[in-house]
Amino acid sequence: NAGVTQTPKFQVLKTGQSMTLQCAQDMNHEYMSWYRQDPGMGLRLIHYSVGAGITDQGEVPNGYNVSRSTTEDFPLRLLSAAPSQTSVYFCASSFTSDYNEQFFGPGTRLTVL
Amino acid sequence: AQTVTQSQPEMSVQEAETVTLSCTYDTSESDYYLFWYKQPPSRQMILVIRQEAYKQQNATENRFSVNFQKAAKSFSLKISDSQLGDAAMYFCAYRRSHFGNEKLTFGTGTRLTIIP
Repeated sequence: NAGVTQTPKFQVLKTGQSMTLQCAQDMNHEYMSWYRQDPGMGLRLIHYSVGAGITDQGEVPNGYNVSRSTTEDFPLRLLSAAPSQTSVYFCASSFTSDYNEQFFGPGTRLTVL
Repeated sequence: AQTVTQSQPEMSVQEAETVTLSCTYDTSESDYYLFWYKQPPSRQMILVIRQEAYKQQNATENRFSVNFQKAAKSFSLKISDSQLGDAAMYFCAYRRSHFGNEKLTFGTGTRLTIIP
């Protein structure tokens, strides 16, 4: 199993550009989520999905879109990048059982100039 | 809303010694899970240990153990016989115990330095 994979590992954008961060998992997990990590603030939930076709907002959803067309993939779209979106982004997945471990991807470091 | 507080931004310990990282949380739920994650310089988030709130017995995983005080809403991590590989950011996290609710709420982290 490859686990949770994220691409790219690093990305630099200019203000106003759009891009998609990719996340894929091969563990047949129902639950997938996106977090952002900023210095001194821990990880904060952006969006999550409990299955294909179902998504919902987390704590900091503004400026981001998600979709879940397959169980394996959960891309995160930045519609118009802003410097405030400079962060490290983590994708995570797990089974939707009551006692589970969330598996994290290696992260994407995004810089918006 | 649930909150998780880690009041120690940085900690250091001599190699082979014991260190305790603090975590407090706020919730109105009676059933939930608590976690400690380790983030080494590689950035990978690694689960260290977890605790179910309904269990009174403190969880242990080799050199890692927790002191779970439900009434005080405290969940500290004890690392015994510290090793150089333990140097990392440590995050405390909370999750409600409801089917389909896997959202984690994280603390701000404690950076642990191991002194050789």
